[in-house]
Amino acid sequence: DIQMTQSPSSLSASVGDRVTITCRASRGITNYLAWFQQKPGKAPKSLIYATSSLQSGVPSRFSGSGSGTDFTLTISSLQPEDIATYYCQQYNTYPLTFGGGTKVELK
Amino acid sequence: QVQLQESGPGLVKPSETLSLTCAVSGGSVSSGSYYWSWIRQAPGKGLEWIGYISDSGSTNYNPSLRSRVSISVDTSKNQFSLKVSSVIAADTAVYYCARDAVMTGVDNWGQGTLVAVSS
Repeated sequence: DIQMTQSPSSLSASVGDRVTITCRASRGITNYLAWFQQKPGKAPKSLIYATSSLQSGVPSRFSGSGSGTDFTLTISSLQPEDIATYYCQQYNTYPLTFGGGTKVELK
Repeated sequence: QVQLQESGPGLVKPSETLSLTCAVSGGSVSSGSYYWSWIRQAPGKGLEWIGYISDSGSTNYNPSLRSRVSISVDTSKNQFSLKVSSVIAADTAVYYCARDAVMTGVDNWGQGTLVAVSS
C-alpha cells in the first residue's frame, strides 16, 4: 500500500493567515492526489482533485500543488469557516489511502 | 446534484454481519465512469477506503478487509450495499458511501452512519 504522510498533524492560525499543509506519498502517484475537508460531526467534503483542480463550488482561496511524492494544500487567507480537519488521498493505486489528517484551529 | 444516503442498523453484535445500503438520488448507479464506494472512519480516527463496485458490477476491495467484505448493486432500486462479516469491535465506525469519479476522485459523499459493534 502507498502510505500518505501529512504534516503538521495540527496547526493554529489567525483569520487572514496563509496556511500550508503538506502531504508526502511513500512512492510516486503522478498527480492523482485529492484533498478533503471535514468539519466535526460531518462527512468529508471534496475540495481538490488531480493535485490542483478545485471541485465545483470550492472557494478560490484553496489551492493545491505538487507532483510525484510531495504535495501541498494552501489556504491563501484563512476564514473562520475553514476550521476543520483536512485529509489528502492518493487515487493512483488501489487500495486508495488517506493521510492521517491535519487539524486547523483558530489562534 | 447527486445525493447519497446510507441506511442500516446502528448496532451489530460481534461475529455477526454488518449490512448497509446507500440510496442514490439525482444520478444513476448504472451510469458509466463512476465507482460506487464505501469508506469508513473509526471514532476519532482517520479515513479508511473499504472498496467499490462499478456500473458493470466489478468490485475492488481493500486487501485488509477483502476476506470479510462484499459490495453489491441493485440497479432497479438505484442503490448499492455493503456487507462486512464476522465483525469485531474494531469495525465500529462511521460508514460513508461515496461516488468516485475515477479520474477526478471521490466527488460526493453520503452523510455517514455510525455502526457500533457490541454485545
